[in-house]
Amino acid sequence: EAGVTQFPSHSVIEKGQTVTLRCDPISGHDNLYWYRRVMGKEIKFLLHFVKESKQDESGMPNNRFLAERTGGTYSTLKVQPAELEDSGVYFCASSQDLGNLNTEAFFGQGTRLTVV
Amino acid sequence: AQSVSQHNHHVILSEAASLELGCNYSYGGTVNLFWYVQYPGQHLQLLLKYFSGDPLVKGIKGFEAEFIKSKFSFNLRKPSVQWSDTAEYFCAVSLTGTASKLTFGTGTRLQVTL
Repeated sequence: EAGVTQFPSHSVIEKGQTVTLRCDPISGHDNLYWYRRVMGKEIKFLLHFVKESKQDESGMPNNRFLAERTGGTYSTLKVQPAELEDSGVYFCASSQDLGNLNTEAFFGQGTRLTVV
Repeated sequence: AQSVSQHNHHVILSEAASLELGCNYSYGGTVNLFWYVQYPGQHLQLLLKYFSGDPLVKGIKGFEAEFIKSKFSFNLRKPSVQWSDTAEYFCAVSLTGTASKLTFGTGTRLQVTL
């Protein structure tokens, strides 16, 4: 079974440019999460989709970040325009929807974004 | 708001030494607890998890963790580390009974020397 896959694995862009990160969750996983780790700090939650709906976007830093999950399959995270402080590793994770039962999240390898 | 503290940022051990990584969390409700590991160049993967029941949880690769509710702790242990355990270890919590977000600690980088 394929795991969570993320594209690209690395991206180096100039300040002011736009970058789009992609995440393909495990097939059948309705929950999809984005996280970010800025160098030396903890992995921080950005947002949570249930199918195509945003369940929780409390971690999104500002309106330069736009996440979508059209059709409830893969998701994209666009940063426009990118700033230096957006540099970090962006992780995607997915999990099954088991109603009220506890579930675990599976992570992708992450996209290392460097804004110069 | 939930928070997770990992007290050791960088640990260096010789092979066969015992390991204990500390994790404390701050949250008044009932939580799920996790340890994730990231080996060099690989994705985050689950080492072990606690949802309910026996507070001593056994995970993959000989790791275990003990949930001590009174201390809000979930320390990770391994009796004898191997060079292949060199990795970064993350403690995380989420609310029980939901597919809610994870709150992570800052991570502990473990280096095992031969």
